[in-house]
Amino acid sequence: AQTVTQSQPEMSVQEAETVTLSCTYDTSESNYYLFWYKQPPSRQMILVIRQEAYKQQNATENRFSVNFQKAAKSFSLKISDSQLGDTAMYFCASQGAQKLVFGQGTRLTINP
Amino acid sequence: GAVVSQHPSWVICKSGTSVKIECRSLDFQATTMFWYRQFPKQSLMLMATSNEGSKATYEQGVEKDKFLINHASLTLSTLTVTSAHPEDSSFYICSARKKVGNLRPYEQYFGPGTRLTVT
Repeated sequence: AQTVTQSQPEMSVQEAETVTLSCTYDTSESNYYLFWYKQPPSRQMILVIRQEAYKQQNATENRFSVNFQKAAKSFSLKISDSQLGDTAMYFCASQGAQKLVFGQGTRLTINP
Repeated sequence: GAVVSQHPSWVICKSGTSVKIECRSLDFQATTMFWYRQFPKQSLMLMATSNEGSKATYEQGVEKDKFLINHASLTLSTLTVTSAHPEDSSFYICSARKKVGNLRPYEQYFGPGTRLTVT
């Protein structure tokens, strides 16, 4: 079974600041993938970043990067130079052989 | 691209009636489609997984007779909420996985969701 835990229900930072969202997961599968999704008020799920668990190098996508600690089963998301458009719900997710399991979400607000 | 559409985007129906939601992959063939349910301010919960041409696999606790899923083609899956009741009101999201053989076969592409309100 897979579980994903996000311990920060809400976060708020000022524009241009850096913010880190936490995520821990548990899985019995040897081959899995981790994701961060953004869900803005429109509720469209948008893929922010992906990490293949077999890769040691942390994934980076422009202002978004992850800190993947496989042994600790930790997968945090860092947003640099935050922008007002980053305001959204952020979901951490783990994909095994079949299922994609989501964490509870973190509501991130970027203040002007 | 990998675009998934849903129709309708929102629907209001009366208690006891049935409502059908369509999920289409517009520019790719999807062997597997997924249906999720999201309550306000909560996360997405997987309801069922459907593979083209076969019966859907439902998650524990999801009533298969209430939530009928049909995956008739490689680009279309439908979710029918039968005899809807107010507690079925929710946001329903579908996703699709591309046919095996592409660069990231595990990745899911999400539709924009359908808001169902049962009065």
